[in-house]
Amino acid sequence: KNEVEQSPQNLTAQEGEFITINCSYSVGISALHWLQQHPGGGIVSLFMLSSGKKKHGRLIATINIQEKHSSLHITASHPRDSAVYICAVCPQGSGNTGKLIFGQGTTLQVKP
Amino acid sequence: GAGVSQSPSNKVTEKGKDVELRCDPISGHTALYWYRQSLGQGLEFLIYFQGNSAPDKSGLPSDRFSAERTGGSVSTLTIQRTQQEDSAVYLCASSSQSGGWETQYFGPGTRLLVL
Repeated sequence: KNEVEQSPQNLTAQEGEFITINCSYSVGISALHWLQQHPGGGIVSLFMLSSGKKKHGRLIATINIQEKHSSLHITASHPRDSAVYICAVCPQGSGNTGKLIFGQGTTLQVKP
Repeated sequence: GAGVSQSPSNKVTEKGKDVELRCDPISGHTALYWYRQSLGQGLEFLIYFQGNSAPDKSGLPSDRFSAERTGGSVSTLTIQRTQQEDSAVYLCASSSQSGGWETQYFGPGTRLLVL
């Protein structure tokens, strides 16, 4: 079993829909990151969370440390949101290095 | 300013050959990471540098893999006697400081194909 599990693996939505991607992890962490990878493109960091909730534009990320769970929400989705979304955690004990353990990614397609 | 750059962007090599992959981090970033993304697989950590030293090499898959960083800047990942299973996208990332709470900035990757 992977230390970081994402669901769903694939997601297709219609433009305008509210989208949720989930991430569960089994290790103690110092931080959790959400990353975005466009087809053929590089990886961009969206959020870093250690507690609570963060919002940036139409993106919202939440984390529940006790339940070892995080969610990434996209409001009013748009075709340009189509990408792979990756959850990554920095395990406790690795906190000083920043070494990340990654989920398998969620491939999102938003249709017009 | 300039982001993280990597070269070459694509590399095709024959099994058994050595390859060198280069990473230029963002200027002033002290922490540098190498990751690998194999086809159909998630990203996996390879090695971490703080300055020129590598306190965490735990992700290197075999002794055919090595990396160095000079002048606290450019890093080179070397794969000796390449095997077909080494085919992957090799990604470099840097951050201004070490720590899980620091944003990592990723390069575009080097796509390696071992024939």
